[in-house]
Amino acid sequence: NAGVMQNPRHLVRRRGQEARLRCSPMKGHSHVYWYRQLPEEGLKFMVYLQKENIIDESGMPKERFSAEFPKEGPSILRIQQVVRGDSAAYFCASSPLDGGLGNTIYFGEGSWLTVV
Amino acid sequence: KNEVEQSPQNLTAQEGEFITINCSYSVGISALHWLQQHPGGGIVSLFMLSSGKKKHGRLIATINIQEKHSSLHITASHPRDSAVYICAVLAYNTDKLIFGTGTRLQVFP
Repeated sequence: NAGVMQNPRHLVRRRGQEARLRCSPMKGHSHVYWYRQLPEEGLKFMVYLQKENIIDESGMPKERFSAEFPKEGPSILRIQQVVRGDSAAYFCASSPLDGGLGNTIYFGEGSWLTVV
Repeated sequence: KNEVEQSPQNLTAQEGEFITINCSYSVGISALHWLQQHPGGGIVSLFMLSSGKKKHGRLIATINIQEKHSSLHITASHPRDSAVYICAVLAYNTDKLIFGTGTRLQVFP
């Protein structure tokens, strides 16, 4: 039973390029959460998605960041025109349909974005 | 002031010692999670608590809802327990986790 799969694990982008981070939730999970961990800081909520719906994006920066979770395929966190301040670890977590986060959380291994 | 505070920020111990990490929070919650993040960064869920106490192997987690406080205990610590331990609360009536900044634990042989 595969866990939450994130790719790429490490991504290097030049300033101004686009970064796409992918997350495949655990089998049977239809709720996906993205979190960002800036260097030397704690994790911060970014966005909560269900299949084809954004439920809560209150933690997303207003510009350049977007997320989707299509009917088929992984959830994607997209960062356009990256800047050095976007360098961080981005974690995805998933939960089952009827559990929300009142149940055990399943995290991916994270995607480390470095902007040069 | 952060809504979730952990102490200590850093902790060193000798193998075999009993370890306690504390978490205090200021919001109403429906659940609290203890997470472990190893060097290299993957995050593993250790416990989810809404009341009382849970035990898994050498790890024990307790929560006091009235006092808005939780503790994570490690008995007979081992160098492989070296990691960052993160407390996260699920704010009441939301699906957002609020994280503490973590406690970095190093256990020396």
